[in-house]
Amino acid sequence: QKEVEQNSGPLSVPEGAIASLNCTYSDRVSQSFFWYRQYSGKSPELIMSIYSNGDKEDGRFTAQLNKASQYVSLLIRDSQPSDSATYLCAVNRDTGFQKLVFGTGTRLLVSP
Amino acid sequence: NAGVMQNPRHLVRRRGQEARLRCSPMKGHSHVYWYRQLPEEGLKFMVYLQKENIIDESGMPKERFSAEFPKEGPSILRIQQVVRGDSAAYFCASSPKVGVGNEQFFGPGTRLTVL
Repeated sequence: QKEVEQNSGPLSVPEGAIASLNCTYSDRVSQSFFWYRQYSGKSPELIMSIYSNGDKEDGRFTAQLNKASQYVSLLIRDSQPSDSATYLCAVNRDTGFQKLVFGTGTRLLVSP
Repeated sequence: NAGVMQNPRHLVRRRGQEARLRCSPMKGHSHVYWYRQLPEEGLKFMVYLQKENIIDESGMPKERFSAEFPKEGPSILRIQQVVRGDSAAYFCASSPKVGVGNEQFFGPGTRLTVL
């Protein structure tokens, strides 16, 4: 079992729709959770972080965390073609470990 | 406020040569991390450093790879006697703190090609 699992996609949504990206993790002691966006040939860009169960909203982005189910999601409202990228889920155990463990990413395609 | 800086952005080496990748963290950040992204694969942690100390090198290959973060100057990832399998994008990230809330910000990366 991979430590962090994501559906590779591509996830195709029309412009203006809600894109829903999902991630599960295996390490129950994980404390911090992050979503990065990576355009082809570019570096990962941090877009959301979440540490407590529930929802966290920032503009068009909402991160959701359910530690009991070991599940993190990212919702993108009013999707734009410029949102087309690979979205990486990353998990940090924090206690004694500072490394981020990444999923392989979900490729999102937003069509005009 | 400059972000994480890496150089060179592209590096071409022949098999057996040495590659040196440099990373300057964001201002105010004292924690540096190196990650590698192989073609069509996810990002993999390599090493975590603070000034003059290697804190976690659990992701570093046992041979040919080394890293440092001296008191003065950038962090260096050094790959000796490169092989074709070392071709990848190497990213450096930095953070201002550790523990919960450890947000890591990535540099533009160095794309290493081994001929």
